[in-house]
Amino acid sequence: QSALTQPPSASGSPGQSVTISCTGSSSDVGAYNYVSWYQQHPGKAPKLMIYEVNKRPSGVPDRFSGSKSGNTASLTVSGLQADDEADYYCNSYAGGHTPYVFGTGTKVTVL
Amino acid sequence: QLMQSGAEVKKPGASVKVSCKTSGDTFTTYYMHWVRQAPGQGLQWMGLINPYDTTIDYAENFQGRITVTRDTSTRTIYMELTSLTSEDTAVYYCVREGAALKYFDFWGQGTLVTVSS
Repeated sequence: QSALTQPPSASGSPGQSVTISCTGSSSDVGAYNYVSWYQQHPGKAPKLMIYEVNKRPSGVPDRFSGSKSGNTASLTVSGLQADDEADYYCNSYAGGHTPYVFGTGTKVTVL
Repeated sequence: QLMQSGAEVKKPGASVKVSCKTSGDTFTTYYMHWVRQAPGQGLQWMGLINPYDTTIDYAENFQGRITVTRDTSTRTIYMELTSLTSEDTAVYYCVREGAALKYFDFWGQGTLVTVSS
């Protein structure tokens, strides 16, 4: 199972929006509504931001939103803040021999 | 809360066993996973265990080298990886699967395993 494809980097000024894509296949992202997104600050453990494509856990600001179209999922961060600067990873359930696959990761920079 | 064991240094060819102690009364309720991250690299899913009935599933890349177990008396999950090489140098995370399934809602602090001769 290959890693899901994410752009290496994305950036925006404070207050702007940034969207990160996560491209998989008809065996993972396209097959299941089990896409989740994780934020990771340097030296810290990842934190769940979105699950089941577009659901936010309690405590995650509504500036974070998720969507999916076909084999590509997206995470949008609106109203960028300095603390949003981090690495972001998508994950999808894929069934089969390796049932979970992560994306390659995207570094978000707040300019 | 997920409390993992401390950092390890191993020689090539050796094995490592990382533990993850859970707290609370819901040890058998949630699937538990292991995810690793090599230095400067992305996240890699390794395997899972259902603490209730010990059902396990491993990533194809680790089949034959990984064993995930649990001890219900101490509410602890273990991950053992054998035949270590320098490519296994990474931070290993113990992770809880969310109640609605198929996502990871709580992460341990991570355990650094360094493989070096």
